[in-house]
Amino acid sequence: SQTIHQWPATLVQPVGSPLSLECTVEGTSNPNLYWYRQAAGRGLQLLFYSVGIGQISSEVPQNLSASRPQDRQFILSSKKLLLSDSGFYLCAWSPRGGLADTQYFGPGTRLTVL
Amino acid sequence: AQSVTQLDSQVPVFEEAPVELRCNYSSSVSVYLFWYVQYPNQGLQLLLKYLSGSTLVKGINGFEAEFNKSQTSFHLRKPSVHISDTAEYFCAVSKGDKIIFGKGTRLHILP
Repeated sequence: SQTIHQWPATLVQPVGSPLSLECTVEGTSNPNLYWYRQAAGRGLQLLFYSVGIGQISSEVPQNLSASRPQDRQFILSSKKLLLSDSGFYLCAWSPRGGLADTQYFGPGTRLTVL
Repeated sequence: AQSVTQLDSQVPVFEEAPVELRCNYSSSVSVYLFWYVQYPNQGLQLLLKYLSGSTLVKGINGFEAEFNKSQTSFHLRKPSVHISDTAEYFCAVSKGDKIIFGKGTRLHILP
């Protein structure tokens, strides 16, 4: 069966520090991968998605970036964190191809920027 | 363009009472529709989805939803809620390789 992992589970970082959040998927090949941010009262905001290694689509301009160095690995990064980057970050995967079907979510990373 | 509107940000309901969480979507093409649930400090979990066929879709935990094309709605229902149903519920619609989520509805179960 497929599983999706995210780490760390929680993170407290000072403003201006770098960020690296990792997401890995097991039990499937060629998944579509997604990064979402969930801020209080604002629902789910799609940040990035990827349909293949090295293929990244950005949904919103920001100081975050994403990379997909391997088929089942998706990394969210920042060189300098802002207070507004605080939130709950969710990674998700879905089967490749056609109209988007079910997305499967990881457990999330709670990021607090102080 | 596809979009999703969840009309209620919060819904309080007494335990064992029925509940309906409303969702309307806008789309000019065939879509897939979803309901997800998020328990506190966890990721989202699929409750149910509509792809085609029967307009009444049954999901996990006793939830069901009805696809109504003429009203462009996909409301979620449960005949009798339990305290464990306390969570946030998201309606979503497919858009190419992506899924567009509504802003969510918090379900509060009152004792």
